[in-house]
Amino acid sequence: SYELKQPPSVSVSPGQTARIACSGDTLSKQYAYWYQQKPGQAPVLVIYKDTERPSGLPERFSGSSSGTTVTLTISGVQAEDEADYYCQSADSSAASVVFGGGTKLTVL
Amino acid sequence: QVTLKESGPVLVKPTETLTLTCSVSGFSLSNAKMGVIWIRQPPGKALEWLAHIFSNDETSYSTSLKSRLTISKDTSKSQVVLSMTNMDPVDTATYYCARIPEEFPYYFDYWGQGTLVTVSS
Repeated sequence: SYELKQPPSVSVSPGQTARIACSGDTLSKQYAYWYQQKPGQAPVLVIYKDTERPSGLPERFSGSSSGTTVTLTISGVQAEDEADYYCQSADSSAASVVFGGGTKLTVL
Repeated sequence: QVTLKESGPVLVKPTETLTLTCSVSGFSLSNAKMGVIWIRQPPGKALEWLAHIFSNDETSYSTSLKSRLTISKDTSKSQVVLSMTNMDPVDTATYYCARIPEEFPYYFDYWGQGTLVTVSS
């Protein structure tokens, strides 16, 4: 099995750029995905295959990848972006799924 | 419009078996390469993968919970069922089902609202 590591929390002021990193050995070989979860709600996919954005999602959300680290970037953060963010990946050989521990984004 | 909805007991006793149903609409469980996954989230904690099943009935289980889980589907009813045996208070969590839109890589584009299951005597 493998794991994905995220910082527990990130804080930014409105209008600033938030960056949330996720690291794991398999990320150099497998895609990463990001989910946003607001209190009391189900997660929502915000980035897939490292950098792709689902249709309808604001352009301020973007993803990038470098080696064993992927990063979710939220440009021009808004109060509504305050949420928990989870990275996720998968291992085809083991047909398994793993989530990071989640990062709480606080908009100051 | 794709939707998924979880149903099942809100309260189970320790040692009992939990059975949850995910009812889907807007897509067919016989769609090639699509699947459904179960994920849980204890209160205040992270998401945890449990099991998933594909249209060809291929299944996969979390290594740590494999001995307690069974996933199956009824395509005619558009339902995916998850059973978890020997429930314990640590299994108290919100249980979600979600759609896997392609065979690999695994990711989840539509989620149910989740159902909170409490394990207590």
